[in-house]
Amino acid sequence: GQNIDQPTEMTATEGAIVQINCTYQTSGFNGLFWYQQHAGEAPTFLSYNVLDGLEEKGRFSSFLSRSKGYSYLLLKELQMKDSASYLCAVADYKLSFGAGTTVTVRA
Amino acid sequence: NAGVTQTPKFRILKIGQSMTLQCTQDMNHNYMYWYRQDPGMGLKLIYYSVGAGITDKGEVPNGYNVSRSTTEDFPLRLELAAPSQTSVYFCASSYSTTPRRGNSYEQYFGPGTRLTVT
Repeated sequence: GQNIDQPTEMTATEGAIVQINCTYQTSGFNGLFWYQQHAGEAPTFLSYNVLDGLEEKGRFSSFLSRSKGYSYLLLKELQMKDSASYLCAVADYKLSFGAGTTVTVRA
Repeated sequence: NAGVTQTPKFRILKIGQSMTLQCTQDMNHNYMYWYRQDPGMGLKLIYYSVGAGITDKGEVPNGYNVSRSTTEDFPLRLELAAPSQTSVYFCASSYSTTPRRGNSYEQYFGPGTRLTVT
């Protein structure tokens, strides 16, 4: 099975940087995904890592360490529209999701 | 290209009633999934399908049934609704389940169905 942990809530100021950590214990591993979910909406794909290291995509970066069972999502130059829940998900033959981290961006 | 569509958007059921949640995708994806999301919780996999005619249970299949007669459609059936099934239901699809370097094969989600059972 999968055990995925991430913080429940984080608050940051517009223009700042926030790092959302995700730790996992899995029986199988075929990659780690990050999804963004605005309140009342469906999750949308942000990034994935299948090898160790940093993947950068604009203001968002995601890091993976397979040996440590650890990933983080880095959000830079925060904007109000980044207020959302961020879901960490681990893939084996299916996706297992963490409970999500609600990020609130304040002016 | 509509992506993944779900109907209805909202539904209120009485205990013991039955209903079918519809899901259709137009991306020719082989893999389709049903999840439920309870407040403050992550997505829990109910059932998934790797292609027409093939379905399998996820983490929380009790009280639900599925079928996959075509590549496009993957309906979810609730036979005897219970208050514990009050949730938001998301359907998703993907080309594959196994990401590879250079191709994440991410899942695409429908807009969700908000179901209340009273």
